[in-house]
Amino acid sequence: SAVISQKPSRDICQRGTSLTIQCQVDSQVTMMFWYRQQPGQSLTLIATANQGSEATYESGFVIDKFPISRPNLTFSTLTVSNMSPEDSSIYLCSVGEGRDYEQYFGPGTRLTVT
Amino acid sequence: GENVEQHPSTLSVQEGDSAVIKCTYSDSASNYFPWYKQELGKGPQLIIDIRSNVGEKKDQRIAVTLNKTAKHFSLHITETQPEDSAVYFCAALFNKFYFGSGTKLNVKP
Repeated sequence: SAVISQKPSRDICQRGTSLTIQCQVDSQVTMMFWYRQQPGQSLTLIATANQGSEATYESGFVIDKFPISRPNLTFSTLTVSNMSPEDSSIYLCSVGEGRDYEQYFGPGTRLTVT
Repeated sequence: GENVEQHPSTLSVQEGDSAVIKCTYSDSASNYFPWYKQELGKGPQLIIDIRSNVGEKKDQRIAVTLNKTAKHFSLHITETQPEDSAVYFCAALFNKFYFGSGTKLNVKP
């Protein structure tokens, strides 16, 4: 499976600011996704990052709050905008491979908003 | 959409014992069911999966069973070891992946 890295691994940010998280894959992949995992909780899909077009957002997530870029088949970014303490979570990048787009996850970015 | 329920939320076993985690799903159209292991400070790792045309799949100490009629699937870990301690998530694919709420497994040495 693809090797996925994320930057930064963790950050502490002040409310009202924005943070951009980078996801790099060591091979070209068709499908890339962004998930949120709130403390002690399960995984929630934020959006599908589409190469060359706008991301597809899930219900409850909007582009103004979570803008996503996907300039090529190996890289994507997620920005968390105008942060509040409720945005404190782990943000996970994943790729979908194989017949059922099996999900392989990066190590995550641990965000704390103060 | 799909709904995935996972039980128990926590599970404590003695080293060497077996552990079983169960999930149920609501949409009979789901056809792919992966299991993930998430260690502290890491991303979820795919450990085993099963498709709807198979009833059971094994990989060394780990097995997954699927009952399509009852719409439930289970993860079985035999001869547990302390390094099995982690949070385990089940998931079901129906247009997108729906994840269970997680089971924190503690293996006591």
